[in-house]
Amino acid sequence: DAEITQSPRHKITETGRQVTLACHQTWNHNNMFWYRQDLGHGLRLIHYSYGVHDTNKGEVSDGYSVSRSNTEDLPLTLESAASSQTSVYFCASSDPGLAGTDTQYFGPGTRLTVL
Amino acid sequence: QQQVKQSPQSLIVQKGGISIINCAYENTAFDYFPWYQQFPGKGPALLIAIRPDVSEKKEGRFTISFNKSAKQFSLHIMDSQPGDSATYFCAASIQTGANNLFFGTGTRLTVIP
Repeated sequence: DAEITQSPRHKITETGRQVTLACHQTWNHNNMFWYRQDLGHGLRLIHYSYGVHDTNKGEVSDGYSVSRSNTEDLPLTLESAASSQTSVYFCASSDPGLAGTDTQYFGPGTRLTVL
Repeated sequence: QQQVKQSPQSLIVQKGGISIINCAYENTAFDYFPWYQQFPGKGPALLIAIRPDVSEKKEGRFTISFNKSAKQFSLHIMDSQPGDSATYFCAASIQTGANNLFFGTGTRLTVIP
């Protein structure tokens, strides 16, 4: 079955370290998204990609970067982790090119703690 | 600023009761309004969605009511069950092909037996 996976599921790191969160989908979707979820803020868009080699900034992109070298993967990198980046991160994918499939499919999330 | 405003933040309903969650938006270009359901430790999953050409959509016990003139939409859960206890997010997007979603802040629903 097609799915979207994230790794690691839990990560503890120290301030200033570089961290990369992985996202892998087997839906063959063109669009992929990274969100962070914080209490009182809901889900906020960090970065998104419409296809290979395409990346775009979302609402809260400062301190984060992504790259898209293939259809299946969109890793999220925190260049220098800060305590304010402690959050739960969700990856999602969609393929609006297919009629009636505006749905975004979410991964299980990565809980990141920056000490 | 929050593009989609959601209320209440939390809701406690007796089993068998009706749960109602409300959302409001300002951007009249939005043309797709989904609701996502999230259980603890899981990612959000699409529950039901509506487009502005209809005022109501029903799927089982879940109904979206949409008021285009008021720029408001709501989720009604009829005959609420303990298994419905979850966090619910409304969202909105412009279906230009990118379908970037703007989410509300979420409502934590607890259905007590």
